[in-house]
Amino acid sequence: DTGVSQDPRHKITKRGQNVTFRCDPISEHNRLYWYRQTLGQGPEFLTYFQNEAQLEKSRLLSDRFSAERPKGSFSTLEIQRTEQGDSAMYLCASSLLSWGAKNIQYFGAGTRLSVL
Amino acid sequence: GQQVMQIPQYQHVQEGEDFTTYCNSSTTLSNIQWYKQRPGGHPVFLIQLVKSGEVKKQKRLTFQFGEAKKNSSLHITATQTTDVGTYFCIIYSGAGSYQLTFGKGTKLSVIP
Repeated sequence: DTGVSQDPRHKITKRGQNVTFRCDPISEHNRLYWYRQTLGQGPEFLTYFQNEAQLEKSRLLSDRFSAERPKGSFSTLEIQRTEQGDSAMYLCASSLLSWGAKNIQYFGAGTRLSVL
Repeated sequence: GQQVMQIPQYQHVQEGEDFTTYCNSSTTLSNIQWYKQRPGGHPVFLIQLVKSGEVKKQKRLTFQFGEAKKNSSLHITATQTTDVGTYFCIIYSGAGSYQLTFGKGTKLSVIP
């Protein structure tokens, strides 16, 4: 499968614990996005990477959230001291930045986080 | 950043009926994209519109971008049960921003 893969697919954790999610984008894609989606809502932008540089972070992203893309390939999203309000589906998407490209985002299946 | 209003939030149609969802912005958009998310699935790209007044068709789906580039619509002719899902429009949030903003989506249910 050469699409965007996310791991794990599901994560159940207790409030206060730290969790880390991984996203492997399509190999030649240099753009990577993280989104959060709650039930019945559209995905909300969290952060954006171009290669290894994190170029933008949403105001939604509190200090407990951190994302990295150390070698410009896979990315991780860490949530520290999880809260029940962090329960959501975390989606990763990648796209190719090139002249004339449409910035079509290819989404992974997501990681569903449940904080008890 | 820019916001986009999408209506309706829900639409229930009988199979074979038509369906339309609308996205409206208060500001001029550089482009707009449409995605579909099946129940339990992830968003999948459908189309991008860039030019004023642009109309694009994909089989039973017709996409339009308004003349002022402030609104867009997706129309499905003769819906089928395979059309079930949530349809989102996405815009860039503003000058100098990489942030993409999703509309709230229109959830389409098709009654067989």
